[in-house]
Amino acid sequence: DSGVTQTPKHLITATGQRVTLRCSPRSGDLSVYWYQQSLDQGLQFLIQYYNGEERAKGNILERFSAQQFPDLHSELNLSSLELGDSALYFCASSPRGSGGVSYQETQYFGPGTRLLVL
Amino acid sequence: EDQVTQSPEALRLQEGESSSLNCSYTVSGLRGLFWYRQDPGKGPEFLFTLYSAGEEKEKERLKATLTKKESFLHITAPKPEDSATYLCAVQGNSGYALNFGKGTSLLVTP
Repeated sequence: DSGVTQTPKHLITATGQRVTLRCSPRSGDLSVYWYQQSLDQGLQFLIQYYNGEERAKGNILERFSAQQFPDLHSELNLSSLELGDSALYFCASSPRGSGGVSYQETQYFGPGTRLLVL
Repeated sequence: EDQVTQSPEALRLQEGESSSLNCSYTVSGLRGLFWYRQDPGKGPEFLFTLYSAGEEKEKERLKATLTKKESFLHITAPKPEDSATYLCAVQGNSGYALNFGKGTSLLVTP
């Protein structure tokens, strides 16, 4: 158990709908990252939040947005859903995610949310 | 742009048959190279972080090594419970996001 929790575990919805995925980081971690995993693309970075502020963006669609709340949990909002959005969505957390050039950080992943768009 | 290539895509081993998985990378300044294990339908589980060429880390039957262009995950005398997908990722100087390879799917048969 990594200490990162995600809800819901499974989500089935229809095209055009909007869903919200929730993530609670490990205790004390300030950074939250969202990743999408599909069969053909592998794990792709979407967005990072550090202590409530957006820190980095990856291949995130304009229909997707995220936020991190004062208690450090994060939500990923997916709207106008398309069939191609069906994937596993993972949240990861790290202690800082901010520091000097040579500083590295291990990310710990949650169990994921499996989204199926019909 | 950072790139990570893993090979082979799939590997089938007999129990006890040692082998190595490869991860080739290009990155603009390496903060760290990470190995994760992922079981079907589960989140990636952290295994190792490597920072500099020549570094080696071990955990049970797994040993990870790093050069300036690639990393190897050596599996010694594997058991069926080692069956999983092994993911390699790099973290470059541009930020803390992980750039993943597509993984090696390992199957160890009794």
